[in-house]
This record gives sequence, C-alpha cells and structure tokens, in this order.
Amino acid sequence: AQSVTQLDSQVPVFEEAPVELRCNYSSSVSVYLFWYVQYPNQGLQLLLKYLSGSTLVESINGFEAEFNKSQTSFHLRKPSVHISDTAEYFCAVSDQGAQKLVFGQGTRLTINP
Amino acid sequence: DTGVSQDPRHKITKRGQNVTFRCDPISEHNRLYWYRQTLGQGPEFLTYFQNEAQLEKSRLLSDRFSAERPKGSFSTLEIQRTEQGDSAMYLCASSIIAEIYGYTFGSGTRLTVV
Repeated sequence: AQSVTQLDSQVPVFEEAPVELRCNYSSSVSVYLFWYVQYPNQGLQLLLKYLSGSTLVESINGFEAEFNKSQTSFHLRKPSVHISDTAEYFCAVSDQGAQKLVFGQGTRLTINP
Repeated sequence: DTGVSQDPRHKITKRGQNVTFRCDPISEHNRLYWYRQTLGQGPEFLTYFQNEAQLEKSRLLSDRFSAERPKGSFSTLEIQRTEQGDSAMYLCASSIIAEIYGYTFGSGTRLTVV
C-alpha cells in the first residue's frame, strides 16, 4: 500500500520569496506522483505530475517538482511566489495501474505581502 | 464538455436521514472515483468504477454507504442513516488513461449532518 507524508501542514512566506513544499511517499511498487492545488472554495486542480522520464517536471505557472527515487520524495518548489498562489497543496501517489490516488494531508501555503 | 459535475453543491440533513449525491464525469472517461475530504485533511479514497463495474471499495465505505454507476455514465453515492461523522466534502473524479491525462475532479458536495 502507498502512503504520502507532507511534512508541513502550513507554510507562510512573503511575496516574491522562494518556497518549497515537502512530500515523501512510500510504496513497494513503481508509482506516479502528482501535485494538486485547491484554491479557497474550489475543487482540486492538477498542478503537475511525474510519470516517467525527466525527474524534473514543471507547471505553467512557475512551479516545479523533482522526483527523487532514492529519497522517495517529490518536493514542490517555486522561486518567487505571488499572492495568487495562496492555496492548499496536496501531494498524491498512484501505482502504475493508475487505479486510485492516495493523498497527503495537504500543506496550506499562505503568502504575506 | 465542461468537466466533472457534482450535484448538489451543498446538503444539510438531519442525523438519521438518507442522502444521495450525483456525479457526472467527463463523457469519454471510463473510470470514476469517489473521495471524502474532511476539514484540514487530504481526500480519502472511497471507491472507484471502471465503466459500470465497481472494482474497489475502501474500508471507510461502511455498509451505510453505497455507490452505483449504472450504464457506466453518471454515478450516485448514497449514505443511509447519516451520522454527524459523515459531515465532509464528497469529491468525485474521473479519468481515462490516468497515467497520461491525470484525474479530473469535480467541485464536490459538502454534506453537513445536524
């Protein structure tokens, strides 16, 4: 069975500062990894995903995540955050049968002006 | 196609009553998933369908919960004899070749049991 641990429940940062949201997973099989974002009062939206190939994946709004198999991590980073990035971020894993997602507890990113 | 639709958006019910939620997936998606999300937690898997077949159910899905997906299109999730602990956001997601396209989530149904 897979599990996901998001090491920080809340991360406050100042606008234009860099941020890293940490995610570690455990699984006995090969996995796919995802980051979802949930803006206030909205549903989950896919931010980026790792399936195979390059271990560094990027989103269209400046986020990136790196798959590290040896450390079983998939940390999310952004070099300069904006107020509009305020949201809850969820890391998720699925096995390569892609049957279901297992989510972490979420990290609330708060951007201070 | 406007994505995954869930109805209703909000439901307030008295303890002991039955409730039913509906999910309309993206039309060409063959897989449909139900999740439950409580405040401050990540979504927890409840069950999933491939076409009309229910292929997996979580232990979270007690015998008061039942889900159907007749004809492999929309799905319903029914909770009988609701309890206060059932208060949560119920999320539906659908996918096709999820490993390439990912999962698309609906906006959810927020259930409050009073």
